[in-house]
Amino acid sequence: AQKVTQAQTEISVVEKEDVTLDCVYETRDTTYYLFWYKQPPSGELVFLIRRNSFDEQNEISGRYSWNFQKSTSSFNFTITASQVVDSAVYFCALNRGAQDDKIIFGKGTRLHILP
Amino acid sequence: DVKVTQSSRYLVKRTGEKVFLECVQDMDHENMFWYRQDPGLGLRLIYFSYDVKMKEKGDIPEGYSVSREKKERFSLILESASTNQTSMYLCASSVSGRYNEQFFGPGTRLTVL
Repeated sequence: AQKVTQAQTEISVVEKEDVTLDCVYETRDTTYYLFWYKQPPSGELVFLIRRNSFDEQNEISGRYSWNFQKSTSSFNFTITASQVVDSAVYFCALNRGAQDDKIIFGKGTRLHILP
Repeated sequence: DVKVTQSSRYLVKRTGEKVFLECVQDMDHENMFWYRQDPGLGLRLIYFSYDVKMKEKGDIPEGYSVSREKKERFSLILESASTNQTSMYLCASSVSGRYNEQFFGPGTRLTVL
């Protein structure tokens, strides 16, 4: 069965520090997709990235970067030079199966960026 | 701009009441989802619809039903609200086909007294 584990429940860092959010997944599928979503205090989840299992290249988007490692079943998310606006709950997710439009979410990591 | 809207941001109901939560998307998406979000439990899928009048139970369907009479609208129904259904309810939609990202509404925080 698919599973997503975000072991860090809550993290606090001071503004401008770098922070990494961990995501470990379990799946028996050879083809799968991983996602990250951000939920700011307003409540609406915002899609950040989708990564397929065949593409292990790291992705960078501005201050955000993602490190996908199949060998350790991890898909970690790093924010460089964090800002107060990065304060949010971040969810990692995995599609539920090869023929499935549904995804399964991790429990989320609440990130506090302190000014 | 793509948009998923939910009928209420905050709702207070009494135990035993029938509650309707409405979700509308303007992106012509085939798929629509209802989740509930509780502290420490993340997002849990209640129901999923992949087409008009088509539905599929999620992980926690007990105590809920859904209706999808039109493509753009997906309703979550609490037949007889109970206090343990106090939660944040999130609606989402996506294009049909695996691996497509979901677009979320702002959520409805429901309190059942």
